Amino acid sequence: DAGVTQSPTHLIKTRGQHVTLRCSPISGHKSVSWYQQVLGQGPQFIFQYYEKEERGRGNFPDRFSARQFPNYSSELNVNALLLGDSALYLCASSSRGTGTPLFHNEQFFGPGTRLTVL
Amino acid sequence: QKEVEQNSGPLSVPEGAIASLNCTYSDRGSQSFFWYRQYSGKSPELIMSIYSNGDKEDGRFTAQLNKASQYVSLLIRDSQPSDSATYLCAVNSGKEYGNKLVFGAGTILRVKS
Repeated sequence: DAGVTQSPTHLIKTRGQHVTLRCSPISGHKSVSWYQQVLGQGPQFIFQYYEKEERGRGNFPDRFSARQFPNYSSELNVNALLLGDSALYLCASSSRGTGTPLFHNEQFFGPGTRLTVL
Repeated sequence: QKEVEQNSGPLSVPEGAIASLNCTYSDRGSQSFFWYRQYSGKSPELIMSIYSNGDKEDGRFTAQLNKASQYVSLLIRDSQPSDSATYLCAVNSGKEYGNKLVFGAGTILRVKS
């Protein structure tokens, strides 16, 4: 089975521009979460979507938005890019959004999108 | 206080030795605990999950959980140079946000041949 896929792999933008990142979860998984990872740190939670609804939002400004489509793929949008948005953006797929069984909380990451803002 | 803390390392061990990686967390309500391995320039790869107190073994890896002490560890037996990577501890802080994972900053492991 294919794992989590993300596109594009790399992206270079300038300050003030907008970017859209895409993710397709593992087949059968209905939950997608987005994380931002800057160099030297662990991933930081941005959003979680389950069954096309936002189920969680991290401490990120409103410039960040996301959505999930009927086929469970997802987009992350970032407006008015800042230099500090340069990071690896990770999409994680899991089989459920909340609750038990706990093993459904296992999250599997895609290869990421490396965003550079100049 | 950080929610999930790890020693940043680097932790250097000789090939064939046991590598011990540690993690503490602050949220007593956490229920799920994970170890990810991340090679330089790559995305995190799930290697272990643990949900109840005690040990869980998978091949050369053993995860240990002590909820009373809010402590999670990962032991890597017979360490190989290919184990050299950053190891991320992640905790499911699932009260409000379902599957939100809170990560530590990671421990760099170097296995010397």
